Amino acid sequence: GAGVSQSPSNKVTEKGKDVELRCDPISGHTALYWYRQRLGQGLEFLIYFQGNSAPDKSGLPSDRFSAERTGESVSTLTIQRTQQEDSAVYLCASSSTGTSNTDTQYFGPGTRLTVL
Amino acid sequence: LAKTTQPISMDSYEGQEVNITCSHNNIATNDYITWYQQFPSQGPRFIIQGYKTKVTNEVASLFIPADRKSSTLSLPRVSLSDTAVYYCLVVRYTGGFKTIFGAGTRLFVKA
Repeated sequence: GAGVSQSPSNKVTEKGKDVELRCDPISGHTALYWYRQRLGQGLEFLIYFQGNSAPDKSGLPSDRFSAERTGESVSTLTIQRTQQEDSAVYLCASSSTGTSNTDTQYFGPGTRLTVL
Repeated sequence: LAKTTQPISMDSYEGQEVNITCSHNNIATNDYITWYQQFPSQGPRFIIQGYKTKVTNEVASLFIPADRKSSTLSLPRVSLSDTAVYYCLVVRYTGGFKTIFGAGTRLFVKA
C-alpha cells in the first residue's frame, strides 16, 4: 500500500477484555515497530520486528502484551486482560531494512485504545 | 542509548525562523540524529536526519556541531501549519533496535 495502515482506528473495551490491534506496513519493508503514546506524552517503544522475528521484547510493558508478525507483512499487537492504564494511542511504523542507522520509520495513524 | 533533552514548548509568529535545540550528551559514534514532526491525531512524520555538520532539505535544516552532543532543527519562515510537536531522537540498530522518543517540543505558531 501507499503507507502504513492500522486498524481499528478507535477501540473501546471493558477492563479485563482482550484486544487485538493490527498493522499493515508499507509493502516490502522488512522492519516493523510498535509504540505506545499516552495522552500528551512522547512515544514509548514497545517492540521491533526484523522480518518475522522480534530480537528484543524487553520494551513490552508486561506479559499481558504480545505481538507477532507473519509473512514479513501484517503484525498484530495483542493486549490480554486490558487495564485502564493501557489506554493510549498505539502506533505502528515500518522501515525498509531495519538494520541501518539511517533507516527512516514511516508511521501509521495509530489506534486509539480506551479501556473503561 | 543517548537520552535526548529538548524544550517542552516554544512560541513563534508566522514568517519567523524557528530553531529548536536538542541535547544528546551520550551519543555514540555510529548514532544518527533524526527529527520527526507530529500533528494531533496523526503518527510522527520524518523531517530530517543527520550525522554531523549541516543537512538541508526542502523542509528544514539540521545543524550538528563537531562534538555531536547537540543538534538544532531550523524551520525557515514558519506558518500556522507548522504548529506541531517536534521530536529529536537518536536511533541505533547495533545489536537490535534502540530508540528513545522524548516528550518533544510543542511549537505553537501564531498569526
